[in-house]
This record gives sequence, structure tokens and C-alpha cells, in this order.
Amino acid sequence: SQTIHQWPATLVQPVGSPLSLECTVEGTSNPNLYWYRQAAGRGLQLLFYSVGIGQISSEVPQNLSASRPQDRQFILSSKKLLLSDSGFYLCAWSHFGTTRAYEQYFGPGTRLTVT
Amino acid sequence: GQSLEQPSEVTAVEGAIVQINCTYQTSGFYGLSWYQQHDGGAPTFLSYNALDGLEETGRFSSFLSRSDSYGYLLLQELQMKDSASYFCAVRRQAGTALIFGKGTTLSVSS
Repeated sequence: SQTIHQWPATLVQPVGSPLSLECTVEGTSNPNLYWYRQAAGRGLQLLFYSVGIGQISSEVPQNLSASRPQDRQFILSSKKLLLSDSGFYLCAWSHFGTTRAYEQYFGPGTRLTVT
Repeated sequence: GQSLEQPSEVTAVEGAIVQINCTYQTSGFYGLSWYQQHDGGAPTFLSYNALDGLEETGRFSSFLSRSDSYGYLLLQELQMKDSASYFCAVRRQAGTALIFGKGTTLSVSS
């Protein structure tokens, strides 16, 4: 069966510090991978998605970046965090291709507080 | 562009039936999905409609009318554990990414 891991679960970082969140998927090959951010009590904002190694589509042209160094690894980074980066970060995957893209599987999330 | 509209809050009592509506505007349509998210948790996939009509999965059903750009999630025999946020989502015209609505918070009381 497939499993998605995200860490850390919670993170408190000062403004201006770097960020690295990691997500890995097990039990499937060539997944589509996604990073979302959810502000408190709000909807899901798509940040990045990837259909393959090294292929990143960005939805948010701010101080965040994403990388996919391996097939089942997705990393979200920032060089300098802003207060507005606080939120609940969710990684998700869907099966390769578009046929089942409607069904995404989410990791447990990272709750980031920038102070 | 693409957008989805759903009510922000719905309240109901245990045992009741509740309907959460979703209207969408898309430049291309590839089906409507529904997700559930409990407070502090991750979203989980509930159902998907690609064609018009009703899809039933236990106590939950989802309906789609493509001509009306409208769908709904129907929850029957409500239980306290159904208290959660519910999101509708459509696939983007290009690629695999989903666009989510802002979510409907369902509160079930006894």
C-alpha cells in the first residue's frame, strides 16, 4: 500500500531563517506530487506541483521554492521566511498521469509558525 | 480562470441529512471531487463525479450537473464524527493540479 510521510510535524522558526520541509511517498512509482498551504480556517492554496524528477510548476512566485531530487521525494524550501509564511503545509500525491488526478492523498502536514 | 463557490458553514443535528453545494467556473471540465478534513488533520478523498448523476458511497453521495456547473455532497444519517470541513475541487485545464473551493465547515450537534 502507499504511504506518504512529511516532517517535521510542527516547526517554529524566526523571521528571516531558512526552511526545508520534506515529503516522501512509498509504494508507488512516478507519482504526481503537490505542495499546498492552508492558513488557519481557510482553503487549500496550491504552491507547487511536479509530474516528474526535476519538473516543478510554481503557482506562488514568492520566497518559496520546491525541488524533486528523487522520484518520490519532494522538498519545499525558503531562504528567508516571512511572517506571512505561517500556516499548515500539506504534501500530497496522485497516481502518475491525469486519469486519476482527481484523487489526491495527503500527508499529515507541517504546522509552521514564523515568529 | 477557474473558481469554486461553496457555503462557508452548515449546521445540522445528528441523524439529519445535509447537502453541501458547490458551483464552479472552469475553462475546461474534468470532474468534481470532494474531500473531508477534520480539524487539525489532513484532507481525505471522499468522492468523484465525472458524469452527470449521483454517486453513492455509504452514507455519503455526490451529485453532478455539468450543464448547471453545479454539484453537491449529500451526507445522510449524520454523526458527530462528520463534523469537519468539506472541500469541492476541480482539475485544472492543464496538468494534474486541483483547484479547491474554500471549504464548508459542517457542525453536527446532538
